[in-house]
Amino acid sequence: DTGVSQNPRHKITKRGQNVTFRCDPISEHNRLYWYRQTLGQGPEFLTYFQNEAQLEKSRLLSDRFSAERPKGSFSTLEIQRTEQGDSAMYLCASSLQGAGEQYFGPGTRLTVT
Amino acid sequence: DAKTTQPNSMESNEEEPVHLPCNHSTISGTDYIHWYRQLPSQGPEYVIHGLTSNVNNRMASLAIAEDRKSSTLILHRATLRDAAVYYCITKTSYDKVIFGPGTSLSVIP
Repeated sequence: DTGVSQNPRHKITKRGQNVTFRCDPISEHNRLYWYRQTLGQGPEFLTYFQNEAQLEKSRLLSDRFSAERPKGSFSTLEIQRTEQGDSAMYLCASSLQGAGEQYFGPGTRLTVT
Repeated sequence: DAKTTQPNSMESNEEEPVHLPCNHSTISGTDYIHWYRQLPSQGPEYVIHGLTSNVNNRMASLAIAEDRKSSTLILHRATLRDAAVYYCITKTSYDKVIFGPGTSLSVIP
């Protein structure tokens, strides 16, 4: 068990560019979650998958954001036309269906200049 | 999911017990109480959860009031590595976690 991994760990991009982050969950976990965290705040829920199905999306997930989990394993989160307000830590977590606890990755820190 | 209230910050001396309180007065009968913590520059880490009975694991203990309107996370001997933000969450399902601002715990050597 290597835990949840996220790549890249840091990303600096210019406003208007597209970025894509990857999350590899714990291998047997069928649920995968994305959160966003800004400085001094708790993480905010964005979306979650059960296997390859995206079951819930937060209102925070604007049309510029899209998440996929095509084979029910790793997931990607893409942000199109980035804005400075997108600067944040993007966290991924995974869990087993029916289990209470979620396991978080180290996050990808996005800076939009 | 019920709203929780926690102190913004707390301090503890190293090697002493720490009691982190959480109020969740609007909790429903099916809500579980979860605690996570987040060390600096890391993702949140699951600590413990419970429904009605007190719970113990290798990291901490969770004491739940009889009316379930409050709970306390107990770290039996604080170490410097326990300095983190501690989040108390109540959840009706095993889905998304709704984080509040949490309690920032400082441990004094």
